[in-house]
Amino acid sequence: DVKVTQSSRYLVKRTGEKVFLECVQDMDHENMFWYRQDPGLGLRLIYFSYDVKMKEKGDIPEGYSVSREKKERFSLILESASTNQTSMYLCASSSPGNSNQPQHFGDGTRLSIL
Amino acid sequence: AQTVTQSQPEMSVQEAETVTLSCTYDTSESDYYLFWYKQPPSRQMILVIRQEAYKQQNATENRFSVNFQKAAKSFSLKISDSQLGDAAMYFCAYRSLQGAQKLVFGQGTRLTINP
Repeated sequence: DVKVTQSSRYLVKRTGEKVFLECVQDMDHENMFWYRQDPGLGLRLIYFSYDVKMKEKGDIPEGYSVSREKKERFSLILESASTNQTSMYLCASSSPGNSNQPQHFGDGTRLSIL
Repeated sequence: AQTVTQSQPEMSVQEAETVTLSCTYDTSESDYYLFWYKQPPSRQMILVIRQEAYKQQNATENRFSVNFQKAAKSFSLKISDSQLGDAAMYFCAYRSLQGAQKLVFGQGTRLTINP
């Protein structure tokens, strides 16, 4: 079965902290994505990666960075957490190419910045 | 840039009845994919149904079907014989054939099933 695992379901951090959200997939997918989900706004893409060490900005990259050192792992980094980054964060992965294959999502991390 | 709009923040339906969730999108592309995803209270997003824009036939998956109107840029989801397990947030999403496989999501519709 397809599996995308996010390291934490709930996380509480303080303003100014550096925060790492980890995501691992076991499907050998090239593409990986980080979204944030907010009520009334749906999911918005923060960053994505289509290969190891490759990354591209999504629609809302400000205040975030990412790391992809291994194919199966994609990390989201909040360099200096702020309260407006309190949100649900979802990781996803997909196989490459112009196929209709869906993205597979993790369970999400609900992050609170105090 | 493409946009996706779900104009119904919340919907409710009686168990065993039929409900339709609306989705419209804006794009200048002629070929693309459309998806409906479901996010139950446990929060893992799962695919419900997909539609290729070049296919005129509406996609169907068991009790779930879509009404794809390409000219109107409309992609509604119909759930027949609603079940308690259908209660969830439903997201409509667009994916371009160009570039990386980014998804553009709508705002979501929370569906409640009344017993």
